[in-house]
Amino acid sequence: DQQVKQNSPSLSVQEGRISILNCDYTNSMFDYFLWYKKYPAEGPTFLISISSIKDKNEDGRFTVFLNKSAKHLSLHIVPSQPGDSAVYFCAAKRPLSGGSYIPTFGRGTSLIVHP
Amino acid sequence: DTEVTQTPKHLVMGMTNKKSLKCEQHMGHRAMYWYKQKAKKPPELMFVYSYEKLSINESVPSRFSPECPNSSLLNLHLHALQPEDSALYLCASSPPALTVYTGELFFGEGSRLTVL
Repeated sequence: DQQVKQNSPSLSVQEGRISILNCDYTNSMFDYFLWYKKYPAEGPTFLISISSIKDKNEDGRFTVFLNKSAKHLSLHIVPSQPGDSAVYFCAAKRPLSGGSYIPTFGRGTSLIVHP
Repeated sequence: DTEVTQTPKHLVMGMTNKKSLKCEQHMGHRAMYWYKQKAKKPPELMFVYSYEKLSINESVPSRFSPECPNSSLLNLHLHALQPEDSALYLCASSPPALTVYTGELFFGEGSRLTVL
């Protein structure tokens, strides 16, 4: 049973337009959320994060929105660039036994930005 | 140096072989992780080491044996694997404590394992 769900396996967007990647979670204990980006033949790299006490976090062209009541978060990329083409993983953290925080990942959404 | 280095990048082994995957980081991170990722699936946590001690084992079969010889190195010893163990094995590290609420993971490129 996946606790972090990315229901769109792929997304295709024109350069300059907005890309919106969605993520849903089922466990209300999750309280910190992250997005990772993965290019082919590379490991995932951290992109942006948001704490559950906030509903928005912005970093340049990237903005993450969190709707706790809906257990939904989204990553907005504006404007999208061809170099943004990658797989984007949503991840969520919750406290485990011993107080450790380990992220649980979604299966990823492949974004293709066309020139 | 902000890299996590994994070797080998590709490994093909038979079900009776013994092999090892290696991971190295020099960022001073004291938590290191092994994840397994199959096609179109999310990375799944296998093991976590914190301060060179095994902290989390996600009920991984004993044919996978992790080892953390020092704070910079993490190994995954493989023995008597099954074809369904074929996957991308990702190593990651994170800032000192697992209790760091906001710490992100730094991943290596992964080792692509094929079991024949």
